[in-house]
Amino acid sequence: EPEVTQTPSHQVTQMGQEVILRCVPISNHLYFYWYRQILGQKVEFLVSFYNNEISEKSEIFDDQFSVERPDGSNFTLKIRSTKLEDSAMYFCASSEWETQETQYFGPGTRLLVL
Amino acid sequence: AQTVTQSQPEMSVQEAETVTLSCTYDTSESDYYLFWYKQPPSRQMILVIRQEAYKQQNATENRFSVNFQKAAKSFSLKISDSQLGDAAMYFCAYRSYGGSEKLVFGKGTKLTVNP
Repeated sequence: EPEVTQTPSHQVTQMGQEVILRCVPISNHLYFYWYRQILGQKVEFLVSFYNNEISEKSEIFDDQFSVERPDGSNFTLKIRSTKLEDSAMYFCASSEWETQETQYFGPGTRLLVL
Repeated sequence: AQTVTQSQPEMSVQEAETVTLSCTYDTSESDYYLFWYKQPPSRQMILVIRQEAYKQQNATENRFSVNFQKAAKSFSLKISDSQLGDAAMYFCAYRSYGGSEKLVFGKGTKLTVNP
C-alpha cells in the first residue's frame, strides 16, 4: 500500500541554523500539507500546498517557514533560522483529488533545536 | 473557529473487551468531516475511520465504529474485541467541507490494551 515517507526521522540542529525537512507524498496525490506537534500538545496545521502554490497557511507559518515542491516527487519544509520553540514533531500529509478530505500522514520528523 | 476536545487523556482496556473513546467538537458549520487517527509508538499517523456529517449512518470499519451525534456534536470511537496492536494514541480530527483544508485535532487519548 502506498505511503507517505519523510526524511530524516530525527534531526538535531543548533538555534539559528536552517533545516530542510523532506517528504515524499503518495504518487497520485495532488494536495500536500505540513503539520507539527510540540511535545504534549495538539497536532497543529501549518500549511497546505496545491498546484505549486500555498493554498492555505496558519498564523504559525510565518516568514521563517517556506515550502517547495522541487521536483515531481518531493515536498519540503524549510525553516530558515530555527528557534528553540521550533522543536516538535513535523508531519507531512497528502490527499488525492477525488477524496481530498482524507489526508494520509507520514511517520514524522522529530526536530530538536538546541 | 472549530475546536475538538478529547476529555480522556488515557484509557485502558482488557484484550478482547470493548472500549469507547470520546470526542466532542464545536462548529457553526453544517457540513464537515470527522476522523479518527491512530498513532502507534512507530509514530505513523494512520487513518482509522471517517464520517461525513451529512450521512446519518454511523461509519464502521471492521472492529472500529463510531457513534456520531450531530446535534450533540459528539463523535465517539468504539473498538470492539480489542487487540494488543490497538494500543496507541488516538486523535479525533475535524475538517470543513468545501472550506478550510486543514484538519483540526484534539489532544489525543492514549489507549493501553492489557493482556
